[in-house]
Amino acid sequence: GQNIDQPTEMTATEGAIVQINCTYQTSGFNGLFWYQQHAGEAPTFLSYNVLDGLEEKGRFSSFLSRSKGYSYLLLKELQMKDSASYLCAVLDSNYQLIWGAGTKLIIKP
Amino acid sequence: IAGITQAPTSQILAAGRRMTLRCTQDMRHNAMYWYRQDLGLGLRLIHYSNTAGTTGKGEVPDGYSVSRANTDDFPLTLASAVPSQTSVYFCASSDSSLSRATDTQYFGPGTRLTVL
Repeated sequence: GQNIDQPTEMTATEGAIVQINCTYQTSGFNGLFWYQQHAGEAPTFLSYNVLDGLEEKGRFSSFLSRSKGYSYLLLKELQMKDSASYLCAVLDSNYQLIWGAGTKLIIKP
Repeated sequence: IAGITQAPTSQILAAGRRMTLRCTQDMRHNAMYWYRQDLGLGLRLIHYSNTAGTTGKGEVPDGYSVSRANTDDFPLTLASAVPSQTSVYFCASSDSSLSRATDTQYFGPGTRLTVL
C-alpha cells in the first residue's frame, strides 16, 4: 500500500527554527509537495522537490532524499502567522497525489 | 472570478437528500479534482477529471458522482446523503500534463457539509 507519515503535531517558539519530517512509501515517485493549510482555509502550495537536495525559498526550505523515501520542511525565523498545518504529498507513478495527514504546527511567543 | 470558487460555503443536509457541490475555475486548467478532508486523515481523492469530457474514480468514490461538461466546471453530486459524508470538501485544479513531472494543485475555499 501507499503510505505517507508525518508527525501529528509540533510546537515551536517564535523566532526559532523547526523541521517537519515526512517519510513515504509509494508506487513510483514523480515528486513531493509541501502545502500549508491555515485552520478553516484551503491548502496552499509551498514547494515541490523531484531531485535530491535542498530547495530554499525565503524562510522556507525543503529537502528530499529519494533513496531514503524522506523529506523535510525547514521553517526559519518562525512567525506567529506560521501556525498552520503542513501537508506532505507525493505524486505517484499514475500522477496521482498521495497525501499525508498533515502536521499541525503551534507557534508560541 | 479569480482562481477556484466553490458553492455553497457550508450546508446542513438531511440524510437521504440529494446535494450538488459546485466548483468553477477560471485558470483554464485541464485537470480538476474533488477531495474530502476529515480530522486526522489526509486529503482523500473522491473523483478527478484529466480533461473536459472525462472523469475517473479516486480513493473514496462510493456515494458520489461527477461530471465535466466543460473546462471550467466540475460539480460533485451526493445522490442520497448519509451522515458519514459529513466532511469538508475541497475542489482543486492543475495544469497537468504527462510531459511534465509537476502537478501543482490549486484549491478552492472548501464546502463544509454536515449530514444529519
